[in-house]
Amino acid sequence: AQSVTQLGSHVSVSEGALVLLRCNYSSSVPPYLFWYVQYPNQGLQLLLKYTTGATLVKGINGFEAEFKKSETSFHLTKPSAHMSDAAEYFCAVSDTGTGGFKTIFGAGTRLFVKA
Amino acid sequence: NAGVTQTPKFRVLKTGQSMTLLCAQDMNHEYMYWYRQDPGMGLRLIHYSVGEGTTAKGEVPDGYNVSRLKKQNFLLGLESAAPSQTSVYFCASSYSKSGTWGQPQHFGDGTRLSIL
Repeated sequence: AQSVTQLGSHVSVSEGALVLLRCNYSSSVPPYLFWYVQYPNQGLQLLLKYTTGATLVKGINGFEAEFKKSETSFHLTKPSAHMSDAAEYFCAVSDTGTGGFKTIFGAGTRLFVKA
Repeated sequence: NAGVTQTPKFRVLKTGQSMTLLCAQDMNHEYMYWYRQDPGMGLRLIHYSVGEGTTAKGEVPDGYNVSRLKKQNFLLGLESAAPSQTSVYFCASSYSKSGTWGQPQHFGDGTRLSIL
């Protein structure tokens, strides 16, 4: 069975500092991995995804994530935080064994950006 | 390009009342989903559909029913609302055909439902 663990329900950084949001997953088959962002009173929007190929994935708004199979991790990073990055971030995993259409979401990490 | 549209956006119900949440997508997606979002619990799948006329149970289906009579619409029903169903409900859709696996889900903006 798949599962997703996001380490830290809240993360606070200063504007301009590195953003690191941690995600570990478990899956019995090769996974598809996603990061979504949710702004207040909105639905989730896709930031980036990993399916196959290059393990370093670049997404929108300067975010990137690296798939590390040996560590079963898919951490999200951004070199320099901006105030507009304040939001909730969800890591998610889909099971390739079922066609990848069912997705398990982590509990979310709320990112605060201090001026 | 509307994407995924949910109606209503807000609703307050009394315990025991019934209601239907409507989700409509204009992307010709095969798969549609209903989630509930509660603080600290992420998104939990209630029901989903892999195509017109089909539905299946997700992680937390009790107390909910769904229908997908048309490909573009996915309805979520609460027959007898309970306070435990107070939540934010999200509909999502995705396009997944053989050879296009791992497609992301597209979300609506949610329905905020309070049961008194």
